[in-house]
Amino acid sequence: GQNIDQPTEMTATEGAIVQINCTYQTSGFNGLFWYQQHAGEAPTFLSYNVLDGLEEKGRFSSFLSRSKGYSYLLLKELQMKDSASYLCAVTDSNYQLIWGAGTKLIIKP
Amino acid sequence: GAVVSQHPSRVICKSGTSVKIECRSLDFQATTMFWYRQFPKQSLMLMATSNEGSKATYEQGVEKDKFLINHASLTLSTLTVTSAHPEDSSFYICSARGEHRDYEQYFGPGTRLTVT
Repeated sequence: GQNIDQPTEMTATEGAIVQINCTYQTSGFNGLFWYQQHAGEAPTFLSYNVLDGLEEKGRFSSFLSRSKGYSYLLLKELQMKDSASYLCAVTDSNYQLIWGAGTKLIIKP
Repeated sequence: GAVVSQHPSRVICKSGTSVKIECRSLDFQATTMFWYRQFPKQSLMLMATSNEGSKATYEQGVEKDKFLINHASLTLSTLTVTSAHPEDSSFYICSARGEHRDYEQYFGPGTRLTVT
């Protein structure tokens, strides 16, 4: 079956750095997305990786290793507004988006 | 960037009535639209995938006669919850994808449905 694993919840301190991991087993691979979702709101796009390596976008970076079926989202200089759920999603061989359950990130002052 | 709108943002209806939710892509042609449901503190659950001009493909366990999806144009898809019951109360989110299949899905703001 298809499976996306990410931690249920993480806690970090304002100003610090946090890494949210995602591992996947899917039938084929056509890209990995990270989305941010605040409570009561729809997800918003953060990043897209289809090749191995690190993609940096401001305070957020996303890394992919296709051979390991692994990705992480790195958030630097954490702000209170970064408290949200972070969703990892993989596009499989049929271009269907397979969603992880999300990681709830709690930022403490 | 691509914008997807949803209407209404919130709706309260009585048990047994039907509710229609609209999803529009405002500045691009959405060849594929997706409808999700999300219960509190749970992840997104894909309900159905629709391509313009064809019947929607429903996920296992989703009643196609209860959740009617119409994707009549490249910019509009509608979800009708028929004979709604309190257990249908949820956050319904649509997303749209453009012509190229590896494009990201652009999400609408969601519709909070409460059935009393």
